[in-house]
Amino acid sequence: AQSVTQLDSHVSVSEGTPVLLRCNYSSSYSPSLFWYVQHPNKGLQLLLKYTSAATLVKGINGFEAEFKKSETSFHLTKPSAHMSDAAEYFCVVSGNKGSARQLTFGSGTQLTVLP
Amino acid sequence: DAGVTQSPTHLIKTRGQHVTLRCSPISGHKSVSWYQQVLGQGPQFIFQYYEKEERGRGNFPDRFSARQFPNYSSELNVNALLLGDSALYLCASSSNRDTEAFFGQGTRLTVV
Repeated sequence: AQSVTQLDSHVSVSEGTPVLLRCNYSSSYSPSLFWYVQHPNKGLQLLLKYTSAATLVKGINGFEAEFKKSETSFHLTKPSAHMSDAAEYFCVVSGNKGSARQLTFGSGTQLTVLP
Repeated sequence: DAGVTQSPTHLIKTRGQHVTLRCSPISGHKSVSWYQQVLGQGPQFIFQYYEKEERGRGNFPDRFSARQFPNYSSELNVNALLLGDSALYLCASSSNRDTEAFFGQGTRLTVV
């Protein structure tokens, strides 16, 4: 079975400073990993995905994530936070449930961006 | 192109009642999955339907059921509602079983 652990439930940064949201995963095989963002009263939007190609993955809105197999980590970063980045972020691993493709979500990290 | 659309956006039901939630996938997408997101938690997998057949089910009781129609739209049904069923129900569509999932904005269900 696969799982993800988001190490921080809340992260607060100042506008213009770097963002780091931490995620560790557990999977018995080479995983597919994703980061999704959820703004208030909106659905989930895919930021980026790792599917065993390059270990450094670039996503939308300046976000990146690095897959580190030795550390079983997939941390999300952004060099400079904007106010519009304030939202809930979910680290997600994809796996099989029967013949279904199941996404397993972490518990989320609430990002606050201070002016 | 329209994204994934869900209806209704909000719903209030009484304990013991039945509810039906609807989802229209992105045009051309054949897979629909349902997720439950309780306040303060990440979404949890309920079902995936692909080509109108259930492909897998999460750890949810039999009160939860779903179906997919020939046009690939889907309904999620919940019987005998409990207070704990209050949540945001999210629908995701993908072109096939394994490809990227696109989420709708969800249906907020409140059980009183």
